[in-house]
Amino acid sequence: QQQVKQSPQSLIVQKGGISIINCAYENTAFDYFPWYQQFPGKGPALLIAIRPDVSEKKEGRFTISFNKSAKQFSLHIMDSQPGDSATYFCADRKLIWGLGTSLAVNP
Amino acid sequence: DSGVTQTPKHLITATGQRVTLRCSPRSGDLSVYWYQQSLDQGLQFLIQYYNGEERAKGNILERFSAQQFPDLHSELNLSSLELGDSALYFCASTQSGRASGELFFGEGSRLTVL
Repeated sequence: QQQVKQSPQSLIVQKGGISIINCAYENTAFDYFPWYQQFPGKGPALLIAIRPDVSEKKEGRFTISFNKSAKQFSLHIMDSQPGDSATYFCADRKLIWGLGTSLAVNP
Repeated sequence: DSGVTQTPKHLITATGQRVTLRCSPRSGDLSVYWYQQSLDQGLQFLIQYYNGEERAKGNILERFSAQQFPDLHSELNLSSLELGDSALYFCASTQSGRASGELFFGEGSRLTVL
């Protein structure tokens, strides 16, 4: 089964720092690159997504960048805040999900 | 609030028993997905229904079954429960059956098998 590999598994960042999470995929038919955010006790919620016709998309402090040749896409969180502490997932076509990255932002 | 409702929120039962988890999708959404989330396995896709028909199947055990009813709500049935079935079960919905696009998740049903 084709996989989606996230890294790192966990991440600790100081308030105001930059958080970077990576996702490597195998399926070359991938045409939608989402990042979901999950808080404890809640279901995942779409944070930001990109389609392969653009290399970068920015929404506020969150940027998703896409590298087709490397088959990777990344989430950058600028000026990280304690409220960003959550688990982040990437996914392939809703069927195959990364194992998640647990982000802790220290105040 | 995603608009997706799951019941029950918590369920404690014994090995060998059978439980039913219920999901009401967002108004207008035709597609329902079921996922299992455990600590070491991340989010595992179980099954997808679109407008009452099974559309895709993932790592769903034979002891598990699901269906989507004419009013579009869905149920996930888990039988002959084992300790390893303890997990969070999420339902998500979306308007279309397409592979891309946003999923809207419920808050999950936490199953504990003792």
